[in-house]
Amino acid sequence: NAGVMQNPRHLVRRRGQEARLRCSPMKGHSHVYWYRQLPEEGLKFMVYLQKENIIDESGMPKERFSAEFPKEGPSILRIQQVVRGDSAAYFCASSPNESGGAAEQFFGPGTRLTVL
Amino acid sequence: GQQVMQIPQYQHVQEGEDFTTYCNSSTTLSNIQWYKQRPGGHPVFLIQLVKSGEVKKQKRLTFQFGEAKKNSSLHITATQTTDVGTYFCAGQASGGSYIPTFGRGTSLIVHP
Repeated sequence: NAGVMQNPRHLVRRRGQEARLRCSPMKGHSHVYWYRQLPEEGLKFMVYLQKENIIDESGMPKERFSAEFPKEGPSILRIQQVVRGDSAAYFCASSPNESGGAAEQFFGPGTRLTVL
Repeated sequence: GQQVMQIPQYQHVQEGEDFTTYCNSSTTLSNIQWYKQRPGGHPVFLIQLVKSGEVKKQKRLTFQFGEAKKNSSLHITATQTTDVGTYFCAGQASGGSYIPTFGRGTSLIVHP
């Protein structure tokens, strides 16, 4: 059973460009979380999605950031008009829990975004 | 909003010494999870605690959940160089929240 997959692993963008980060959850998992991590800091929650639904996006900036988890295909975190402050590691995690609540999360390897 | 504090931020130990990291929540938790992240890697789930006063062991690792379900600790006995990494706690607030709040983590450095 393949784990959570994220691509690309490393992404370099110039200021003003768009960054698209992809996450394929573990097989059978319908819950996806996106986190952002700055060096030597914890994981900051951004958004929680189920298939075709955004459940909680309270941690995601209102502007430039968007996320989706379509019926088919991976979850995508999109950052438009990137700025240097967007440079960070972005982790996706998936969970099998169908009713929400307590469930371990399986993390992908992350996408390291560098904005020049 | 809910806050999860974790101390210490860094801990240097000699190989063979014990190590403990502490996690405190500003609100009562329904459960707490612990993760380990190796340098350059991604968080890996270690354990979940649900019951008040719960204690769980995994080989040299001992996890505790406080009676009030607001704090937790991870203790490693006789550290090894393979224990190097950052240990995060993540608490889910009681009341049905789906979102775990992560502590900032404790980075463990083991000197051979």
